[in-house]
Amino acid sequence: EVQLVESGGGLVQPGGSLRLSCAASGFTFSSYWMHWVRQAPGEGLVWVSRINSDGSSTSYADSVKGRFTLSRDNAKNTLYLQMNSLRAEDTAVYYCARQAEVTVQPLDVWGQGTTVTVSS
Amino acid sequence: DIQMTQSPSSLSASVGDRVTITCRASQSISNYLNWYQQTPGKAPKLLIYAASSLQSGVPSRFSGSGSGTDFTLTISSLQREDFATYYCQQSFTTPRTFGQGTKVEIK
Repeated sequence: EVQLVESGGGLVQPGGSLRLSCAASGFTFSSYWMHWVRQAPGEGLVWVSRINSDGSSTSYADSVKGRFTLSRDNAKNTLYLQMNSLRAEDTAVYYCARQAEVTVQPLDVWGQGTTVTVSS
Repeated sequence: DIQMTQSPSSLSASVGDRVTITCRASQSISNYLNWYQQTPGKAPKLLIYAASSLQSGVPSRFSGSGSGTDFTLTISSLQREDFATYYCQQSFTTPRTFGQGTKVEIK
């Protein structure tokens, strides 16, 4: 079964750091580009970041650029999102998602999400 | 950044109704438009990609159309399990922006 499982969320103080993980199974992880999308409480979906298949290229939303770092370990089938200098507005459910290999590359597999709460 | 605007933001409908949701991009995105469904507490699910291609396993009552800047998602006969929030997203360029969502509620 194709699956993505996020972990690492929790409560952190403003200015703190957190590292999210996304464990992939059931597909050849090293062949796929991967993304993170977040959703603040009661709000819509917001794209955060993406990484190419070998980890050599990343892209970030302006709101997290310089604070978040996306990386991957293809030997461990795991995606990581290092989040530093966290702010209250980073509070959200964070989803990892796989970019499909079909035309226009939609996000075809999503994890269940992990919740990050930034509060003192 | 490309802005994606959905309308309406919410709608009330009955089982069996035909429902149409629109999504407009701030610039042309060809057919790089995808639709997702999200039910409360769950992850989004891909419904339609490339504006009109039905994702495997998605019921045929869902359809999409459009190109350039204007797109629509249609549910031909609304079922109880379709009451959810729907999002469009452009995959033309990063940042891969989403629309604000359309909540489909039971009338």
